[in-house]
Amino acid sequence: GNSVTQMEGPVTLSEEAFLTINCTYTATGYPSLFWYVQYPGEGLQLLLKATKADDKGSNKGFEATYRKETTSFHLEKGSVQVSDSAVYFCALTTNTGFQKLVFGTGTRLLVSP
Amino acid sequence: DGGITQSPKYLFRKEGQNVTLSCEQNLNHDAMYWYRQDPGQGLRLIYYSQIVNDFQKGDIAEGYSVSREKKESFPLTVTSAQKNPTAFYLCASSRAGTGDYGYTFGSGTRLTVV
Repeated sequence: GNSVTQMEGPVTLSEEAFLTINCTYTATGYPSLFWYVQYPGEGLQLLLKATKADDKGSNKGFEATYRKETTSFHLEKGSVQVSDSAVYFCALTTNTGFQKLVFGTGTRLLVSP
Repeated sequence: DGGITQSPKYLFRKEGQNVTLSCEQNLNHDAMYWYRQDPGQGLRLIYYSQIVNDFQKGDIAEGYSVSREKKESFPLTVTSAQKNPTAFYLCASSRAGTGDYGYTFGSGTRLTVV
């Protein structure tokens, strides 16, 4: 079946540090891949996406590259800010049948000044 | 601006009561979804609907019911049969056949049993 595995959190960083949150997936066919962000007490917001192999999604300084050979979609940011503190969810949807999103368990990021 | 509105933001339920959570979207999306999120955990799918007057159970449908009488609306009822209903509930919508587009989420309803 389809599944997403994320690194356990929390990830604790100082402001301006480099961020990597690992995400790997298992899927049949050729999935589209997403990163969502959830700020405290809120719903999820789409952060970035990639729909085919070698695509790079980017938004607000965050980037992730769709790596088919390693079945990965790691989230990176060169310099985090306190305002980036949130929970980050990796997700996939396959492109056959009715496409329900499959989410990872989420990784909490805590950035200190 | 288009979006999804969930109400109320906070809801308190007494033991043995049914409560209904509202979800309305004006994005003209065909598909709608309900998820449950427990503290420190990921999202679990309760029900989803691809079109009006049709819906399917997700992974944790027991103790919940839904209806989809209008394209814009997908209310979730938490029944007394749900033994542990305290959680954060998220509604989402998407275009049909939406492999490339992902979901749009509401801001959630926090349900507490008192």
